[in-house]
Amino acid sequence: DGGITQSPKYLFRKEGQNVTLSCEQNLNHDAMYWYRQDPGQGLRLIYYSQIVNDFQKGDIAEGYSVSREKKESFPLTVTSAQKNPTAFYLCASSIGTDTEKLFFGSGTQLSVL
Amino acid sequence: GEDVEQSLFLSVREGDSSVINCTYTDSSSTYLYWYKQEPGAGLQLLTYIFSNMDMKQDQRLTVLLNKKDKHLSLRIADTQTGDSAIYFCAETYINTGTASKLTFGTGTRLQVTL
Repeated sequence: DGGITQSPKYLFRKEGQNVTLSCEQNLNHDAMYWYRQDPGQGLRLIYYSQIVNDFQKGDIAEGYSVSREKKESFPLTVTSAQKNPTAFYLCASSIGTDTEKLFFGSGTQLSVL
Repeated sequence: GEDVEQSLFLSVREGDSSVINCTYTDSSSTYLYWYKQEPGAGLQLLTYIFSNMDMKQDQRLTVLLNKKDKHLSLRIADTQTGDSAIYFCAETYINTGTASKLTFGTGTRLQVTL
């Protein structure tokens, strides 16, 4: 079945540590996105990529980094510069310009030890 | 910037209709969406409406758009316990060409009681 796979489902970060969240899709979508979800708030865009080897900052990119070396993969690194990383992280993809077809993964809950 | 607002909580009895409301500020919004999020899961697109429409019906779901008042609503007929979830309203405008400029509301938690 086609879809988006995020791993791990739960992740813990120690002080000063970088952690990487995985996102893989087999939908052959061109565009991929990372959103952050905090309780009682809407989703906020961190980074997005419309094509391999290219990505743009979203609204809250500080303290995060991404790469897009393969069409199907868009990992997100939460760096030690992100001082409040505890949140639910959602990866999504879309065909490209079809704004109505945004597919989401099942999310990764990141917590700080 | 764009802003999308929703009430945080709604409780309905099983079998009743649910109406979830959303207001937005961007008059250039082109597509408006409703997403559903079950606990610990990602978002699932339920339905969407183009801004030149005022109503869209899809089985138990009815979307109403009042463009003058910038008000969007989602009506769920015959609400079931499986409809318990958080519902997000979102909007975008077509000039961006991608979904990257989706603005989400804060989400409305729907609780269905027996």
